[in-house]
Amino acid sequence: AQSVTQLGSHVSVSEGALVLLRCNYSSSVPPYLFWYVQYPNQGLQLLLKYTSAATLVKGINGFEAEFKKSETSFHLTKPSAHMSDAAEYFCAVRVGETSGSRLTFGEGTQLTVNP
Amino acid sequence: NAGVTQTPKFQVLKTGQSMTLQCAQDMNHEYMSWYRQDPGMGLRLIHYSVGAGITDQGEVPNGYNVSRSTTEDFPLRLLSAAPSQTSVYFCASSAGTGAFFGQGTRLTVV
Repeated sequence: AQSVTQLGSHVSVSEGALVLLRCNYSSSVPPYLFWYVQYPNQGLQLLLKYTSAATLVKGINGFEAEFKKSETSFHLTKPSAHMSDAAEYFCAVRVGETSGSRLTFGEGTQLTVNP
Repeated sequence: NAGVTQTPKFQVLKTGQSMTLQCAQDMNHEYMSWYRQDPGMGLRLIHYSVGAGITDQGEVPNGYNVSRSTTEDFPLRLLSAAPSQTSVYFCASSAGTGAFFGQGTRLTVV
């Protein structure tokens, strides 16, 4: 079975500081990995995805994530936080091409950006 | 582009009432699914469908039914609402990697 653990339910950074949101996965086969962002009272929006091509994945809004198989990690980073980055972030894993939309989500990390 | 459309956006039910949450997508995706989101628990899969006429249970299916008579529509039915079903419900559709989500339905059962 696949699972995802997000370390830290709340992360607070200053505007302009590095953003680092941690995600570790468990999967018996090579996974597909995703980061989603949810703004207040909105649905989830895909930030980026890893699909077994390049291990460093660039997404929207300046975010990127690196797949590290040896550490079973897929941490999300952004060099300089903006106020508009304040949101909840979800890491998700999917196994297999035929699983369709059957994603397994982490519990989420609420990002606060302080002026 | 409409993408994934959920209705209603908000709903209050009394315990024991039934209702249907609607979900429609216009991207011709084969895969559709329903999740519920509760604080501190992320999103949990209720039911999913890999194509018209095919549905299966997810992680938390009890108290919910689904059907998939067309590619576009994937309604979620609450048979007899309970306070434990108070949550935000999201419908998603996908073709291959990633998924597109609707805006959610915030359901309160009193």
